Amino acid sequence: DQQVKQNSPSLSVQEGRISILNCDYTNSMFDYFLWYKKYPAEGPTFLISISSIKDKNEDGRFTVFLNKSAKHLSLHIVPSQPGDSAVYFCAAHSGTYKYIFGTGTRLKVLA
Amino acid sequence: DSGVTQTPKHLITATGQRVTLRCSPRSGDLSVYWYQQSLDQGLQFLIQYYNGEERAKGNILERFSAQQFPDLHSELNLSSLELGDSALYFCASSAGTVNSPLHFGNGTRLTVT
Repeated sequence: DQQVKQNSPSLSVQEGRISILNCDYTNSMFDYFLWYKKYPAEGPTFLISISSIKDKNEDGRFTVFLNKSAKHLSLHIVPSQPGDSAVYFCAAHSGTYKYIFGTGTRLKVLA
Repeated sequence: DSGVTQTPKHLITATGQRVTLRCSPRSGDLSVYWYQQSLDQGLQFLIQYYNGEERAKGNILERFSAQQFPDLHSELNLSSLELGDSALYFCASSAGTVNSPLHFGNGTRLTVT
């Protein structure tokens, strides 16, 4: 039962261009969404989040968009940098206190 | 540095054995979560504690158990280990309030031989 899905296992982008990572969810009870970045041999690092009452949240080069009707969220990174190369996980949270994670998308930013 | 400390970093043990993984949450965080990541898979939620009490349970096997102590550190006990238990085990903590993100430790890599 995959409630949070990241359908693209990998993505390659040129340095300086926009990276768009996508995430779909099935449970309409989710009310808080997060993105994490993970480097090898490290734990996931929190990047940015959005509450279900908003449709956009920005933090520097990172913007998260939420489309509740489509049950879809995306993370935009502009401009992409080689240091952004990592695995990105989206996560969704509901009132049952659980944070459910997607399977991740490996982003490679090419110099 | 997330402020979440996990020990040990690596653990190699044999099938049938029992191990204990330890987690110290960020200062001030009351909630601790345990996740398992196998072979580049996603993060599978195991269990959550809040201020010493179990709050939510995921796909945690009966051979696994956890607890959170009065000083808020947590331990995950894995017993009767099988080859398939080899994985990265992450601990995360949060303030436990509405819309507070999880902050992860660097994980314990368990290898069962």
